Amino acid sequence: AQSVSQHNHHVILSEAASLELGCNYSYGGTVNLFWYVQYPGQHLQLLLKYFSGDPLVKGIKGFEAEFIKSKFSFNLRKPSVQWSDTAEYFCAVNNNAGNMLTFGGGTRLMVKP
Amino acid sequence: DVKVTQSSRYLVKRTGEKVFLECVQDMDHENMFWYRQDPGLGLRLIYFSYDVKMKEKGDIPEGYSVSREKKERFSLILESASTNQTSMYLCASSLTPGGETQYFGPGTRLLVL
Repeated sequence: AQSVSQHNHHVILSEAASLELGCNYSYGGTVNLFWYVQYPGQHLQLLLKYFSGDPLVKGIKGFEAEFIKSKFSFNLRKPSVQWSDTAEYFCAVNNNAGNMLTFGGGTRLMVKP
Repeated sequence: DVKVTQSSRYLVKRTGEKVFLECVQDMDHENMFWYRQDPGLGLRLIYFSYDVKMKEKGDIPEGYSVSREKKERFSLILESASTNQTSMYLCASSLTPGGETQYFGPGTRLLVL
């Protein structure tokens, strides 16, 4: 069974700091990769996704993620965070032929104004 | 805009009660999912359905059942609620099973006493 690891459970940053959230997965075949975000009091929503092609994916609100196949990683980055980025972030993986998404444990990001 | 609604935002039930959680989507999506969200564990799939009357077990189906009598509606049933089922329950829908964006409802926070 595939698994997804997010090593940072809680991250606290000041505004304008750079962000990188780690995501590693265990499946060895072709994968689809996702980052979802849950802002306080809001629905979980898609931030960005990778299916194929350019391994550097750009999403909403200035976020990007890089797929590194050799490292089984799909880390999320943002050069300069804002207070409004305070949220919980989830990495998810689908093994392309499968029906199910596997989610990581989530990372709670707090951005101090 | 895709809309996924869940019948209750908060529920308090007693051990042994039968609990019904309802989810409705308005985008004519084939696929619907029930997850539970627990701190540090992320989202774990309970069941999903890829068509009316069709269902598949997810990672943690024990203690739960589901019903999909109409395309737009997917119900999660706790036959005999237990305290370890206290959690946040999220419903989602998508056009295709695993490779497309999933759209989430607001969640139902269930407390079993």
